[in-house]
Amino acid sequence: GESVGLHLPTLSVQEGDNSIINCAYSNSASDYFIWYKQESGKGPQFIIDIRSNMDKRQGQRVTVLLNKTVKHLSLQIAATQPGDSAVYFCAEQGSGGSYIPTFGRGTSLIVHP
Amino acid sequence: EAGVAQSPRYKIIEKRQSVAFWCNPISGHATLYWYQQILGQGPKLLIQFQNNGVVDDSQLPKDRFSAERLKGVDSTLKIQPAKLEDSAVYLCASSSSSWGTNEQFFGPGTRLTVL
Repeated sequence: GESVGLHLPTLSVQEGDNSIINCAYSNSASDYFIWYKQESGKGPQFIIDIRSNMDKRQGQRVTVLLNKTVKHLSLQIAATQPGDSAVYFCAEQGSGGSYIPTFGRGTSLIVHP
Repeated sequence: EAGVAQSPRYKIIEKRQSVAFWCNPISGHATLYWYQQILGQGPKLLIQFQNNGVVDDSQLPKDRFSAERLKGVDSTLKIQPAKLEDSAVYLCASSSSSWGTNEQFFGPGTRLTVL
């Protein structure tokens, strides 16, 4: 069936480096994508979203890139800090008129001081 | 602004027992979601409410799971009887729009362990 998945389960970076977390989706009809950050013992926290009519969106230290040709989504975090250590999920919504959010498995980001 | 509140935070029960979780969404949020998050996986939507009506419950195992939001504010999720595979974190989220493109705010979750 349709799925949203992540390429890497764990990403380790040094403090101050830039981080890139990738996500592949298989449903070409998806039209809305969200990145969430989940710290241990907490619920997911919205980071940034992007609609399918865009290919890039920037926030504070974060950038989301959408490549609809290859159905790929990425989250870039600039100047990664220890507080960025968490599990990051991509989620898609809006395929076929459905607004049920579908989450991928998650990537664990570990930032070394 | 107060966030989404959930209780209890932790619950341990034996299989075949019943359990209930409670959620209080952010004030004014019409849409409420219940998710199941199994360890190492992303959250999976169980049910979505718009005010006190069900928008989608297609992924809710209705033979054992039930949920209600009688007054369009607080919500309860019940499992009866519980199975070992129900061990997970149950997350409640709310948003101000039913269209799902508005930001969802998640509670801290209830960690359920079924023995």
